[in-house]
Amino acid sequence: QVQLVQSGAEVKKPGASVKVSCKASGYTFTTYGISWVRQAPGQGLELMGWISAYNGDTNYPQKFQGRVTMTTDTSTTTAYMELRSLRSDDTAVYYCARKGTGRAFDIWGQGTMVTVSS
Amino acid sequence: EIVLTQSPGTLSLSPGERATLSCRASQSVSSSYLAWYQQKPGQAPRLLIYGASSRATGIPDRFSGSGSGTDFTLTISRLEPEDFAVYYCQQYGSSPNTFGQGTKLEIK
Repeated sequence: QVQLVQSGAEVKKPGASVKVSCKASGYTFTTYGISWVRQAPGQGLELMGWISAYNGDTNYPQKFQGRVTMTTDTSTTTAYMELRSLRSDDTAVYYCARKGTGRAFDIWGQGTMVTVSS
Repeated sequence: EIVLTQSPGTLSLSPGERATLSCRASQSVSSSYLAWYQQKPGQAPRLLIYGASSRATGIPDRFSGSGSGTDFTLTISRLEPEDFAVYYCQQYGSSPNTFGQGTKLEIK
């Protein structure tokens, strides 16, 4: 079946970087893009950006530009999200989600908890 | 950036009742690229409605979406116990795709 499986929970110190993976299966990986969304404890959903699995094009909201990098590996059908210069307010659950052109986020990963603490 | 405002923030209803959730956009949402998601505690969001009014695969027909332009509505015709959750609207027609702040649907 179509699914996205994310890597496990991470604990990082302020100033460090984290890289979360999202393995896709059950569909043609390059036909869709992958969006990344985060959710701080008790808060709403915040889009972090999008990457095309077809050609690697990316789109990041201004808030995350310069601090986030999204990549894909088509050989392993895996997407990655790296966030640098971590702060305590980056503590959140990070989700990947499948997105096609003109489409909503129809398949979601299970989420990866990232805790930033000294 | 399109700002989405959901109302009410919390809706208290009983099973069997009808729920009406609102989502208002700060500018027109192109091609009705408006989606609704349901999120239960400890779970990832689940797509309910896309294109403002189309149900996603496997979504019961008690869920319906309507609206265009800047005003959208999610209606749950008869609430089941499993429907009590947080609901988010999202526009995916322009970058960045943005989410509303959510409506919590709780049991009265």
